[in-house]
Amino acid sequence: DAGVTQSPTHLIKTRGQHVTLRCSPISGHKSVSWYQQVLGQGPQFIFQYYEKEERGRGNFPDRFSARQFPNYSSELNVNALLLGDSALYLCASSTRTSGTVNEQFFGPGTRLTVL
Amino acid sequence: GNSVTQMEGPVTLSEEAFLTINCTYTATGYPSLFWYVQYPGEGLQLLLKATKADDKGSNKGFEATYRKETTSFHLEKGSVQVSDSAVYFCARSGGSNYKLTFGKGTLLTVNP
Repeated sequence: DAGVTQSPTHLIKTRGQHVTLRCSPISGHKSVSWYQQVLGQGPQFIFQYYEKEERGRGNFPDRFSARQFPNYSSELNVNALLLGDSALYLCASSTRTSGTVNEQFFGPGTRLTVL
Repeated sequence: GNSVTQMEGPVTLSEEAFLTINCTYTATGYPSLFWYVQYPGEGLQLLLKATKADDKGSNKGFEATYRKETTSFHLEKGSVQVSDSAVYFCARSGGSNYKLTFGKGTLLTVNP
C-alpha cells in the first residue's frame, strides 16, 4: 500500500508570495495533520483535520491555513511568505483523532525555501 | 503547556556500542510516548511507543520504558549498527491524542 504522499518535494519562493502544499493520506485514513520542521529542530504542530473539519491548531499566525477534501487529501496554504517560513513541512495521517493511541504516519515532506 | 526535553547531540558511537538517549516529558494529563527516527532526506518513522506507565516499547533492538515517577522515556539499544545513524525524536501525545509534541532531536552517528 502507498504511504503518505506529499507534493511538491521541493519549492523555492520569494518573500511575500503564497504557497500551497499538498498531501494524500494513506488509504482509509481520515485524519491529516501538518507539522513544520525548521532545520535542527523537532516538528511543530500546525493543524489537524478530521472528516474535513479542523480539530486542532498550533501556535501559528493566520497566514497559515489548511483544508481537507472529501477524499481526505489536504492542502496547507501559507500567505505572505517570510524568510522564517523556510522549513520542511510534514504531513501525517492517522485513522482517528482521539480515543485509543492512533499512530501518525508521516510523509517525506516538502522542503520550502523562501528567498 | 506540554513539552519534551531530550538529550542534545550529536552523539557519536562505534559500532556495537551501547546507546542511551535521554528524554523527559511534562507530566500533564496521561500522554502516550513515542520515539521517531528520521533518516537523511526522509520523513519521520515511528520507532516505538508506549501508552501507559511501566509499558515498554521495543522495535529493531531499541527499547524505551514509560517511567511516570521520573517522567522519562529514555531510548536504549544494546549494540548499535552503522545503519542506525539518524536523528531520533522523542514525542508525547496531547490530551486528546491528536497532537504530537516533539523534542529537538538527537543526531546519532555510528562509525564502523
